Parts: sequence; C-alpha cells; structure tokens
Amino acid sequence: DVKVTQSSRYLVKRTGEKVFLECVQDMDHENMFWYRQDPGLGLRLIYFSYDVKMKEKGDIPEGYSVSREKKERFSLILESASTNQTSMYLCASTQSSASGKRDTQYFGPGTRLTVL
Amino acid sequence: AQKVTQAQTEISVVEKEDVTLDCVYETRDTTYYLFWYKQPPSGELVFLIRRNSFDEQNEISGRYSWNFQKSTSSFNFTITASQVVDSAVYFCALSGGYGNKLVFGAGTILRVKS
Repeated sequence: DVKVTQSSRYLVKRTGEKVFLECVQDMDHENMFWYRQDPGLGLRLIYFSYDVKMKEKGDIPEGYSVSREKKERFSLILESASTNQTSMYLCASTQSSASGKRDTQYFGPGTRLTVL
Repeated sequence: AQKVTQAQTEISVVEKEDVTLDCVYETRDTTYYLFWYKQPPSGELVFLIRRNSFDEQNEISGRYSWNFQKSTSSFNFTITASQVVDSAVYFCALSGGYGNKLVFGAGTILRVKS
C-alpha cells in the first residue's frame, strides 16, 4: 500500500524561526514534491526532486529550501519563517518520469503551519 | 504555460442529487495527463482518476464518472446520487512537460446536505 508520511499534522512557530518539515515515502519513488495549499489558489509547487541530492525550483521557491539526502526523505526548510508562510504544506511522491509516463502523485496528510 | 480552471468555487446539493464539477485546461503539449483528486476534511489528497490525452473514452467507477473532451479542453467529473460522504474539496490537475509536475486548479468545495 502506498504510504507518504509527514512529520507533523499541525505546527506553530514564531516569526524568524527556522522550520523543518519532513516527508518520508516507502514506495521507492524517485520523484518527490513539496506544495503549499491556500484557499482559492489550489496547490502550488515549491520545490521538487527527481533524485537524491537533486532539486529543482517550482513556481514559488522564494523563502524556502529543500534537502534530499536519502531517496525516501525530502525535507522542506523555512530558513526564517514569516507570517505569509502560514499555510498547509503537502508532500507528494511518484515514480520516475524518465519513460515519459506521467505517474500518479501520492500525497501525504499535510502539515498545517501557523507562523505567529 | 499550463493552466487549469475550476470555475465553480463552491457547490451545495442535497443528498441523492447528481452534481457535475467542471474542469477546463490549457496546454501546448500534445501528450499530457489529467487527474482528479479528492480532499476530505482530514486533509489528505486522495487520487481518483488519471487520464492520458490519447484516451478520450469516458470512464465510470461506481457513482463517479468522468467526461474528457479534447475539443473543448474539458475534463468534467460527475457524482451520481451524491452522499454526505462526498463532501470534500475536489481538485483537477494537469501533468505535462518535464519532471512529472502537476498544475492544479483552485479546487471546488462540494457540500452535500442530508
């Protein structure tokens, strides 16, 4: 069974704090993604990774960084959290797209982050 | 650029009514995939269907059906005889180009009242 887990369901941090959001998948997927979800905007891609130690910017990377040291784990880092980063953060994974096939993305339960 | 539009922000229906959620997409790719996801109040996105651009056959799965029309760039989702458990946010998404990335619509909130 497909499984993507995220370290916290709810998180409250203060402005300026460094925040780590962790995502782990057990499906041996090559590709992993971080999105943020805001009302009326749907999901927007922050960063994605297609292999260990590889990363690419998505549509809204400003204020975020990522780390992928192991295949199963993809971390999202807020270097200095700000109130406009209050949002729902969703992690997803999928198999490689090298074949050109567009595999289904499987999502974790999400982390609702509040920055005060 | 790729774009997905879900024009219906929120829909309210009474149980057992049929409801259709609209999705219109834009892409220059000749090969692309379309998806629908459901997000119940618990928050996790649940995969419902994937359709590739070469397969315009409609699909039915129980009370759910999908109508893909390339001519109008639409991929609409119909729930027949809606139930309270169908209440959720539904997202349409498009995948094409590099990296298996998805472009999501803004989502449609469906409320089914008993």
